[in-house]
Amino acid sequence: ETGVTQSPTHLIKTRGQQVTLRCSSQSGHNTVSWYQQALGQGPQFIFQYYREEENGRGNFPPRFSGLQFPNYSSELNVNALELDDSALYLCASSLRVSANTEAFFGQGTRLTVV
Amino acid sequence: AQSVTQPDIHITVSEGASLELRCNYSYGATPYLFWYVQSPGQGLQLLLKYFSGDTLVQGIKGFEAEFKRSQSSFNLRKPSVHWSDAAEYFCAVGERGSFGNEKLTFGTGTRLTIIP
Repeated sequence: ETGVTQSPTHLIKTRGQQVTLRCSSQSGHNTVSWYQQALGQGPQFIFQYYREEENGRGNFPPRFSGLQFPNYSSELNVNALELDDSALYLCASSLRVSANTEAFFGQGTRLTVV
Repeated sequence: AQSVTQPDIHITVSEGASLELRCNYSYGATPYLFWYVQSPGQGLQLLLKYFSGDTLVQGIKGFEAEFKRSQSSFNLRKPSVHWSDAAEYFCAVGERGSFGNEKLTFGTGTRLTIIP
């Protein structure tokens, strides 16, 4: 158990719909990163939030957006879902105090787009 | 841009045998290096990390990894595997100058199967 919880665990959406995934970071952590893991692939960095501001983004289109709240929990929003968005979405939280800190991952949300 | 290559998609070893999983990276300087393990339906668990100093790094569950700058490699080893080690293993790099464990670039993973 890492203390990072994600909800929901699984969900199925239809192409063109919008989805919101949630992440509750480990207590005291102020940084949340989101990753997309397609089947048979390694996780790919989507973006990161630090103190409620986006702090770096990977190669993902603007229809992937996020929020971080004052309690440091976070949401990932995906608009206009495409079939290729089907993946495991992972969030990771960390405490940004030095370079030598560890990120803890949640168990992920499995999104299926049909 | 940084990248990570894990050349072995799938490895099968006998329980009690030794293990080495390969990882090569591409980066302009010495990156932060990580190995993660993922069991089916689970998130990622950090096995070990290299930031600086001793190039032989000890991790959890009896794993170790050696950073070799000349070969741009960070191979994972275990002297004797257990059936519970069956999982997917990911090597990752983090950017120098950032907070090291953030914005990670992962390899495609190596699936480890253990036979009795």
